[in-house]
Amino acid sequence: AQSVTQLDSQVPVFEEAPVELRCNYSSSVSVYLFWYVQYPNQGLQLLLKYLSGSTLVKGINGFEAEFNKSQTSFHLRKPSVHISDTAEYFCAVSDLGSGGGADGLTFGKGTHLIIQP
Amino acid sequence: NAGVTQTPKFQVLKTGQSMTLQCAQDMNHEYMSWYRQDPGMGLRLIHYSVGAGITDQGEVPNGYNVSRSTTEDFPLRLLSAAPSQTSVYFCASRGQGYGYTFGSGTRLTVV
Repeated sequence: AQSVTQLDSQVPVFEEAPVELRCNYSSSVSVYLFWYVQYPNQGLQLLLKYLSGSTLVKGINGFEAEFNKSQTSFHLRKPSVHISDTAEYFCAVSDLGSGGGADGLTFGKGTHLIIQP
Repeated sequence: NAGVTQTPKFQVLKTGQSMTLQCAQDMNHEYMSWYRQDPGMGLRLIHYSVGAGITDQGEVPNGYNVSRSTTEDFPLRLLSAAPSQTSVYFCASRGQGYGYTFGSGTRLTVV
């Protein structure tokens, strides 16, 4: 079984300031990691994913995340946020990397990013 | 536009009624899945399918049935709706690239 912990339910940040959204996971097998963004009353949009290779992953809208296997973390960062980044952000994990045949994602509970002018 | 289409967008049911939430994708994706989103809970996996004719249970399957007769469609059935099934339901699909594409959701209220 795997689980995802998003350490902050809400993060307020001033516009143009940097932000880090924290995500830790637990799994007994090799995992793939994802960050999704959800704008109000919409579905989820993929920001970035880590499958293998370089531990620093760049995504859309200027976001990036770093996979740290020893700390089982996959924190999301952006150097300068904009009002339009206000949304709910979800970290998710999949054990697709283990080749076990199951599918689907295990999500954290989400972090609400609030950008203050 | 290519993507995942969910219908209806909104639905109100009475306790005990049945209904089917529709999900269709036009990307020829093999893998499809259903999630429910509840406040403060994130999204939880209900059922998934790894291809036509093959389905399996996720984390919260009780009260829901699925089938996958075609690659394109993956309907979710509630046989006897309960207030605990009030939620927002999302369908997702993926190809071999591991990036899941989500539909816009169905907001279901059971009274």
